[in-house]
Amino acid sequence: NAGVTQTPKFQVLKTGQSMTLQCAQDMNHEYMSWYRQDPGMGLRLIHYSVGAGITDQGEVPNGYNVSRSTTEDFPLRLLSAAPSQTSVYFCASKTGHSGNTIYFGEGSWLTVV
Amino acid sequence: GENVEQHPSTLSVQEGDSAVIKCTYSDSASNYFPWYKQELGKGPQLIIDIRSNVGEKKDQRIAVTLNKTAKHFSLHITETQPEDSAVYFCAASDSSGSARQLTFGSGTQLTVLP
Repeated sequence: NAGVTQTPKFQVLKTGQSMTLQCAQDMNHEYMSWYRQDPGMGLRLIHYSVGAGITDQGEVPNGYNVSRSTTEDFPLRLLSAAPSQTSVYFCASKTGHSGNTIYFGEGSWLTVV
Repeated sequence: GENVEQHPSTLSVQEGDSAVIKCTYSDSASNYFPWYKQELGKGPQLIIDIRSNVGEKKDQRIAVTLNKTAKHFSLHITETQPEDSAVYFCAASDSSGSARQLTFGSGTQLTVLP
C-alpha cells in the first residue's frame, strides 16, 4: 500500500543546476499537486494537475515546470536552481470529487547552495 | 483569492490539558475546512474536516467548530497526550472549479509536556 511516493528524500544542488523531483501514486487519483513548505509560511501550491495531459499553475509556480503524461506520475522540474528554492517539497493526490482527502507524500528536502 | 490565518504559531500544554488552535479565512465562498497533522519528517495527514453546513464535528478527543458568519474555525484537542505533539495545519477551500484548491494556514507547533 504505497500511496504517494516521492524521490529523492534529500538532495543538495548547486545554484544553476537542474533536477527533477519524482512523484508517483498508486491510488488511481485524478488530481495531483506539488507544494513547498517553508518555515512560518505553511504549504504553498506550486503546480497541480486535474488529470493526465492537464496541468496548471498554483500560487508559486516560477522556476518550476511539471508534466502529467500518465495518471500515476507527476514530476516537478527545477529549471535552474536558486537558493530561494531551498525548501521541503510535498507531492499530494486525491480523487477528482471535491472535498475528498488529500494524501501527501513523505516530502523531499532540497538544499540549493 | 483565499487567505487563511492561523494562531498561535506555537503552543505548549501539559499532558491531559486541552489545546485549541484557531484559524480565520477570507473567502466567504469557502465551504470545506480540513485539519492536518504533520509529525517530524513526515507528510501532513488529515485528522478531521468539516463542511460549511455543519457547525461542529467530533472524533474521539478531537473536535472542530466552524463559525461561518465570523469566518473562523477551530481545532480542539482534549486530554492531550505526548503523541499529539506535532505541527497542525488548517486549510480552506471552495467548490469552484474542478481542482478544489486548498489554502493552508501557516501551522501551529503543538508540544505536549509530560
